[in-house]
Amino acid sequence: KQEVTQIPAALSVPEGENLVLNCSFTDSAIYNLQWFRQDPGKGLTSLLLIQSSQREQTSGRLNASLDKSSGRSTLYIAASQPGDSATYLCAFGGSNTGKLIFGQGTTLQVKP
Amino acid sequence: KAGVTQTPRYLIKTRGQQVTLSCSPISGHRSVSWYQQTPGQGLQFLFEYFSETQRNKGNFPGRFSGRQFSNSRSEMNVSTLELGDSALYLCASSFGELYNEQFFGPGTRLTVL
Repeated sequence: KQEVTQIPAALSVPEGENLVLNCSFTDSAIYNLQWFRQDPGKGLTSLLLIQSSQREQTSGRLNASLDKSSGRSTLYIAASQPGDSATYLCAFGGSNTGKLIFGQGTTLQVKP
Repeated sequence: KAGVTQTPRYLIKTRGQQVTLSCSPISGHRSVSWYQQTPGQGLQFLFEYFSETQRNKGNFPGRFSGRQFSNSRSEMNVSTLELGDSALYLCASSFGELYNEQFFGPGTRLTVL
């Protein structure tokens, strides 16, 4: 059974810090991996999508990497801001699953 | 371009009732997926529709069903509601394949009393 694990479950940092969120998956047959952001009570906002043939994707202060051999993806947030406070979810798209499998998320609080 | 819209945004029902939720995808998107989000189980995949056909289905009981219309709008129905069905129901649309970038709607918050 495919499992997607996100560590840490919660993170609190002062404004300006660089931080890394981790996502690990057990199934090596990956098609792609997506990172989303969710604000309380809201839907998900797509941040980055990494195809299995790619190593990383960047958008502004965000950088996501993918290491298929170790079954890991990381989301790097540079120079964090209070507006980055949200829950960050990774979603695994497997070649054989026919669906996206989500991790439980990392809840980030950036303090001014 | 308008985003994914879901109606209604909030619903309160009682056990045993049924409910229908609606999702309008981004114009041009033909794939619509539905997810249930609860604090305990997180985000779980319900089903995905593409061109009016269900392509994939998650591990939910038959009380959960859906359909997609020719204009790609989708509905999901839950019959004989249970307390455990209280959740945020999210739909997402993508252009073509399920694994293309997913765009989510704001969700429908269902409370079952």
